[in-house]
Amino acid sequence: DVKVTQSSRYLVKRTGEKVFLECVQDMDHENMFWYRQDPGLGLRLIYFSYDVKMKEKGDIPEGYSVSREKKERFSLILESASTNQTSMYLCASRGQGSGANVLTFGAGSRLTVL
Amino acid sequence: AQSVSQHNHHVILSEAASLELGCNYSYGGTVNLFWYVQYPGQHLQLLLKYFSGDPLVKGIKGFEAEFIKSKFSFNLRKPSVQWSDTAEYFCAVSTYSGGYQKVTFGTGTKLQVIP
Repeated sequence: DVKVTQSSRYLVKRTGEKVFLECVQDMDHENMFWYRQDPGLGLRLIYFSYDVKMKEKGDIPEGYSVSREKKERFSLILESASTNQTSMYLCASRGQGSGANVLTFGAGSRLTVL
Repeated sequence: AQSVSQHNHHVILSEAASLELGCNYSYGGTVNLFWYVQYPGQHLQLLLKYFSGDPLVKGIKGFEAEFIKSKFSFNLRKPSVQWSDTAEYFCAVSTYSGGYQKVTFGTGTKLQVIP
């Protein structure tokens, strides 16, 4: 089974701090995604990457950036955290070929910005 | 841009009751459709998917969903729910746009099953 690992389950940061959320997948998937999950709003796509060093904005990219230097790793960066970025962040990956177009999710990283 | 609507935000059922969760999407082209489930404290996981063929698809744990193209709907059903079905359910639509497959999720439905 594909495993998507998010390095931090819970983080508490202060307004203005720089925050890194790391995600690693172990099945050589080309595609990786970052979503945020908020009650009543479902999952909203922040950024995604279809290949190494490639990134595309999702629906709510403002205040975020990403990095994909290696195929297995996709990082979400909050340059200057704000309280409205308090949320659950979900990383997902997706392969090509058989089983493609099915997202496999990590456990999530719950970020609180004070 | 595509969108996904889930009309029921919170559903409470007794065990053995039948379940139907609504999902409608807006997109005129070819779609792939999904239901994902998030059990308390667990990862989001795939419940079932529709890519093509028979519009009635079966998933894990006795769930099924029917794709009705004319209604842009993909409702989730289960004839008899169990307490262990308590979870949040998300409908999702994947479309091909701008050279890539984009997946859009609905707002989710929290299902609470009372023993």
